[in-house]
Order: sequence, then C-alpha cells, then structure tokens
Amino acid sequence: KNQVEQSPQSLIILEGKNCTLQCNYTVSPFSNLRWYKQDTGRGPVSLTIMTFSENTKSNGRYTATLDADTKQSSLHITASQLSDSASYICVVRSGGSYIPTFGRGTSLIVHP
Amino acid sequence: DTGVSQNPRHKITKRGQNVTFRCDPISEHNRLYWYRQTLGQGPEFLTYFQNEAQLEKSRLLSDRFSAERPKGSFSTLEIQRTEQGDSAMYLCASSLVGGGLETQYFGPGTRLLVL
Repeated sequence: KNQVEQSPQSLIILEGKNCTLQCNYTVSPFSNLRWYKQDTGRGPVSLTIMTFSENTKSNGRYTATLDADTKQSSLHITASQLSDSASYICVVRSGGSYIPTFGRGTSLIVHP
Repeated sequence: DTGVSQNPRHKITKRGQNVTFRCDPISEHNRLYWYRQTLGQGPEFLTYFQNEAQLEKSRLLSDRFSAERPKGSFSTLEIQRTEQGDSAMYLCASSLVGGGLETQYFGPGTRLLVL
C-alpha cells in the first residue's frame, strides 16, 4: 500500500531560526515528490517538485532534498518568518496512477 | 486568470439535508479533482474528471456522494442525507495534462459543518 509519513507532526520555532521537516514514503513505482504549503483555511500551494533524478531543489528560503534510494525527502526552511506558519504536506505520485498520495502534514508555528 | 474558485466557502447544515458545492477550475485545465480534508490530516482523494468524464472514484465516496462536470468546465459535488461525519473541508484542484509534470492547483476549499 502506498504511504507517506511525515515528521514531526508539529513544530514550534522562533522567528529567524531554521528548521527541517521529514517525509518518508513507500510509493512505488516512484514518479515525483512535491511539497505543499497550506495556510489555515486555504488550499495547498506547491513549493517544490522533485523527480527521481533530482537530489536538491530550492525555492527561495525553501530547500527540498530527495534520496530515492532510502525513499526519504526533507524540506529545509531557512531564516523562518511569521508567514511560514502553516501546514507543510509531502505528496508523492506513483508512476502507475494519477492519484497522488498525501502525507498528514507537519504543522509549523513560527513565534516572534 | 483568477485561479481555482470554490463556492460556498462555508456551509452549515443540519443532519439529513442535502448540500451542493461548486468548483470553477482554471480555464482550459482539463483535469479536475475533489478531495476531502479533516482537521490535522492531509487531503484524501474522492474523485477526478478528465474533461467531462469521471475516471476514478475513491471507496470513500459513498452512494450519498455524487460529482458531475457536465461540460468539462465547472464541477459540482453533492452530498445527500448529510451525516455529522461528513463535516470536513472539501477541496477542488485542477490541472492541465498534456506535457511535462502535472501540477494541481487547489482552490480555497468549502468548509462543511453538519450539525
């Protein structure tokens, strides 16, 4: 069964600090992995997408990594801002399906 | 292009009533998805359309749920005889499939509360 597990479930950090969110998946065959940011009461917005051959991809202060061998991904947020407070969802798509598998998300709170 | 829109944004109903939600995708997007999301969880797939054809339905979609996309543009999701367990955020996403990696663009969601 395709699964996506995220950790930690929630995280509280001070403004300006860095943090790293983790994603482990068992989706097979792997097609791509995407990180979404979801603000409270809003729909998810794509941050990065990574395919099998990509190890690192950045989008501003967000840097995603992918290790396709261990089936792990991370999202690193640098110099956090209050507006980074949101849920971050890891989504993995199988090569054999149009239906992506969503993780439960990591809830990030950035305190001033 | 104003993105994916959903209406209403919030809906409160009594158990047993029927509700209908609407999703307007990004124009020219040929694929449309419906998801359900409960508090603290990721979105769960319900169904999707390729143009006007409904190609796949999740087992989560009981016979009380029906979705349509009559002209391959906007879509509606109807829940009949609502139950308290139907309370959730209902998300719609659209995408353009035909070249490159598919990116789903989500709407703001419709939050349903069944009393």
